[in-house]
Amino acid sequence: DIQMTQSPSSLSASVGDRVTITCRASQTISTYFNWYQQIPGKGPKLLIYGASSLQSGVPSRFSGSASGTEFTLTINSLQPEDSATYYCQQSYSPPYGFGQGTKLEIK
Amino acid sequence: QLQLQESGPGLVKPSETLSLTCTVSGGSIGIYYWAWIRQAPGKGLEWIANINFRGYANYNPSLKSRLSMSIDPSENQFSLKLTSVTAADTAVYFCARHGTMVAEIDSWGQGTLVTVSS
Repeated sequence: DIQMTQSPSSLSASVGDRVTITCRASQTISTYFNWYQQIPGKGPKLLIYGASSLQSGVPSRFSGSASGTEFTLTINSLQPEDSATYYCQQSYSPPYGFGQGTKLEIK
Repeated sequence: QLQLQESGPGLVKPSETLSLTCTVSGGSIGIYYWAWIRQAPGKGLEWIANINFRGYANYNPSLKSRLSMSIDPSENQFSLKLTSVTAADTAVYFCARHGTMVAEIDSWGQGTLVTVSS
């Protein structure tokens, strides 16, 4: 199975800040890689697919990038509604595992 | 707008079989892969399995010996069965759709909590 290692596990930032979350795959997965946002009590929501493509309806302050097996989610100009847990996922080969999650707190 | 709705018992006894169904509305079940993902209380997401409209399924090896998925395109439904459940199978179970770009999960059900307890 492909392992996804996500960091940090939690972070705290202020409104207007820029934050980055990183995920590393245990082997090459090309750009079969996705980011999700989960607000407590709700199902996850797709933010970024294919490592860098923004899902329709997602604010442009969210962006994704890739370098080899390392993937980054960047949130610019943090908003209060961005308080959530963020998960990465590989969709290269089943089982399509997720990272451990990053809990983002807005100060 | 596509909607997915999970249904099934919220309480299952240890050693019994967990059975869930997902009903898809607002779109056709054809051409896509459909998935189950679960989340234990306070934990992260675990991909369980997926299936396409022809019935070809992929299973998570960690659960494969206890898992089966089925699909009924005529009813726009797909189902999950997990046998010999234990407390470790207590989780919110989400049904979902894999998109066609990079198999991203682009639609999710609201999730249903299944508790394994006697």
